[in-house]
Parts: sequence; structure tokens; C-alpha cells
Amino acid sequence: EAGVAQSPRYKIIEKRQSVAFWCNPISGHATLYWYQQILGQGPKLLIQFQNNGVVDDSQLPKDRFSAERLKGVDSTLKIQPAKLEDSAVYLCASSLMTGRTYEQYFGPGTRLTVT
Amino acid sequence: GNSVTQMEGPVTLSEEAFLTINCTYTATGYPSLFWYVQYPGEGLQLLLKATKADDKGSNKGFEATYRKETTSFHLEKGSVQVSDSAVYFCALKTQGGSEKLVFGKGTKLTVNP
Repeated sequence: EAGVAQSPRYKIIEKRQSVAFWCNPISGHATLYWYQQILGQGPKLLIQFQNNGVVDDSQLPKDRFSAERLKGVDSTLKIQPAKLEDSAVYLCASSLMTGRTYEQYFGPGTRLTVT
Repeated sequence: GNSVTQMEGPVTLSEEAFLTINCTYTATGYPSLFWYVQYPGEGLQLLLKATKADDKGSNKGFEATYRKETTSFHLEKGSVQVSDSAVYFCALKTQGGSEKLVFGKGTKLTVNP
């Protein structure tokens, strides 16, 4: 079974530029998550989708971050404009459903450096 | 709010040494508890989990017991190998709502031959 795919793996941009990340979850997984992992910290949930609806975006900086999951499969996360403090690894994860017993499977992440 | 506190790293051990990584949590209700591992250059992988008090999760020689009375979920392994070198994250998942994962800051383990 193919895992969670993410691209690009690395991205370097200047502050105030825009950037987009792509995620393809495991086939059949209804729930998709985007996490931000700043160096030296644990991942922090940015947004959670159930199919193509948003379940939780309480920690998403909505003035600059946006995410969508069209057709309930692939998802994109966008930052516009980027700030220096956005430098982090952006992790995508998916699970079969939302719930305590459903395991989240993580992709390899996209490492963003903002200069 | 919900939070996870892990022991500060990095931790450096010799091969075959005993490993303990402490993890305590604060949560409302009865969370599920997890240990994730991140090997160099790879994504997070679930190592083990426990869903209720006194449950013991185990995998690859690692163990952790859900202790409600001390709100702890310490990770242990009797004899570490060089291949166990990685960053270990303790996490909880709450009931209800989005049931999102809340992670600790991670503990980097280096095992020397």
C-alpha cells in the first residue's frame, strides 16, 4: 500500500513570497491533516479535513495560510506572504476516519526555509 | 488545555544500555496515548499506543504503560541498538471534537556502538 505522498520535499523562498505544498493521502483515507513542525518542537496541527470539509482549523494563521481539499482526496497548503518564522517542516498525515482508534500515517514532509 | 511534557534531550547511550524517556500529560477526559518515532530523513511512524488506563503498548522491544494516577506514559527499552537512534515523540489524542494529536517536543536519542 502506497504511503502519504508530499511534494516538494524541500523549498527555499524569500520572505513575502508565496509557496504551496501538495499532499496525496493514502487511498480511501477520509481524514487529512496538515502539521507544522518547527525545529526542536513537536508537530502542531494546522488544519484537519474530513473528506472535503474542515473539522479543525483553530491553529491555522488564516491571514496568510490557506488550505483546500478538493474532491476529498489531494490537498494543498499555501502560504502567502511567507514570513521568516514560517521556516519549518510541513507534515501531511491521513487516517481512515476521525476517531481515537484510527492511526494517523505521516508523509515525509516538506522542509521550508524562508530567507 | 491539553499538553504533553517530555524529558529534555538529547540522550546518548551505549549499545545494549537501558532506555527510559519520560512523558507526562495534561488532558481533560481520558485521552489515548502514543509514542511516535522519526528516523533521520524520514516521516513520523507510530511506535506504540495505549487507549486506556493500565494498558501497555509494545513494539520492537519498546514498552510504555498508561498510568492514569501519575498521568504518565514513559517509554522504555531494555537493550538499545544503534538502529534505535532517532527522535521520539510522545503524543495524546483527546476524545470528542477533532480528536487531534497533541505532541511533546521530542527527545533525540543517539546510540553509540
